[in-house]
Amino acid sequence: AQSVAQPEDQVNVAEGNPLTVKCTYSVSGNPYLFWYVQYPNRGLQFLLKYITGDNLVKGSYGFEAEFNKSQTSFHLKKPSALVSDSALYFCAVRGDNAGNMLTFGGGTRLMVKP
Amino acid sequence: EAQVTQNPRYLITVTGKKLTVTCSQNMNHEYMSWYRQDPGLGLRQIYYSMNVEVTDKGDVPEGYKVSRKEKRNFPLILESPSPNQTSLYFCASRTGRNQPQHFGDGTRLSIL
Repeated sequence: AQSVAQPEDQVNVAEGNPLTVKCTYSVSGNPYLFWYVQYPNRGLQFLLKYITGDNLVKGSYGFEAEFNKSQTSFHLKKPSALVSDSALYFCAVRGDNAGNMLTFGGGTRLMVKP
Repeated sequence: EAQVTQNPRYLITVTGKKLTVTCSQNMNHEYMSWYRQDPGLGLRQIYYSMNVEVTDKGDVPEGYKVSRKEKRNFPLILESPSPNQTSLYFCASRTGRNQPQHFGDGTRLSIL
């Protein structure tokens, strides 16, 4: 069975500082990895994905993520946080042996303080 | 505007009273899914559909039914709701297996 771990329930960072939201995964076969963001009272919005190719993936709103196969990680990063980045962030994975099942992590709340 | 529309957005009901949450997408997507979101558990897939008349169980299908008679619609049916189905529900659609999902704004169900 595939799984995703987001080890931090909440990440606090000051505006202008770099941020990292951690994600590790376990799948059978090659992983397809996604990050989504959720604002209050809204559905999830797609940020970026890794399917194949470069390990550093760039996405929306200045976010990027680094795929590390040996550490089975896909951490979300941004060089300079904004207060408006405060939201709930979800990592998701689908293994290429898992059919159409997409598994989400438990979510990490990012709080960016002015 | 491309969107996934869920109705109702909020519902409070009682145990055992059948209910349906509708989901419609206007993007001609083949794949559609239902998820429930519970604190600390993230999103868990209930059912998904790869095309008309093709559906399959996700991680937590017990107590739910779905149908896909038309490409755009994917209703979630709770035949006999119970309090443990109180949750926030999301419908999503996408064009292919590795494509990003488009989510609706959610339906908050409270089963008393």
